[in-house]
Amino acid sequence: DAKTTQPPSMDCAEGRAANLPCNHSTISGNEYVYWYRQIHSQGPQYIIHGLKNNETNEMASLIITEDRKSSTLILPHATLRDTAVYYCIVRGRSNDYKLSFGAGTTVTVRA
Amino acid sequence: NAGVTQTPKFQVLKTGQSMTLQCAQDMNHEYMSWYRQDPGMGLRLIHYSVGAGITDQGEVPNGYNVSRSTTEDFPLRLLSAAPSQTSVYFCASSYPGTDTEAFFGQGTRLTVV
Repeated sequence: DAKTTQPPSMDCAEGRAANLPCNHSTISGNEYVYWYRQIHSQGPQYIIHGLKNNETNEMASLIITEDRKSSTLILPHATLRDTAVYYCIVRGRSNDYKLSFGAGTTVTVRA
Repeated sequence: NAGVTQTPKFQVLKTGQSMTLQCAQDMNHEYMSWYRQDPGMGLRLIHYSVGAGITDQGEVPNGYNVSRSTTEDFPLRLLSAAPSQTSVYFCASSYPGTDTEAFFGQGTRLTVV
């Protein structure tokens, strides 16, 4: 499995954009980058995923570098309800049955 | 649309007791899996299934059994509970493939005393 590296924690001001980095330097060509979050020990919630192009949905944007060795999750207007642990996960054909969760980034949105 | 439903939400067991954690999904997903999450840690895969009648071990399978007789249900059995199995358990389901979202249940918080 390709490994991911995320900062352990970050703070963000309410209403500002939160930019969450992730390094995945060993990612292979057919592996996707997924982002999930977990609010207060609830079940993980899917946010977004991508292969090589930038992606946007109603929750967030995902920016993947051209060499695909890193990515950034952008929460455009963070709210207090976005306080959570955010997980960056690489998923490919050899392990499509599972998600390999690391420690994630604990994001605290402050009023 | 209920998604992934886990029961019970909370359970306290005595050491040596057995129990079954239930997981059901109504999305016709072929893939289902069980994870455990210990305090301050990420989720670890216990067992998974890629279809009815097919199961396999994940990273931490010892002390747990599973079966998959239907597409909808994937129960997790603790045969003889130990304090080390105190954890929060999550069930997940998805379609096959790398371009598919996985859905998680809300978890079962298990304490073994």
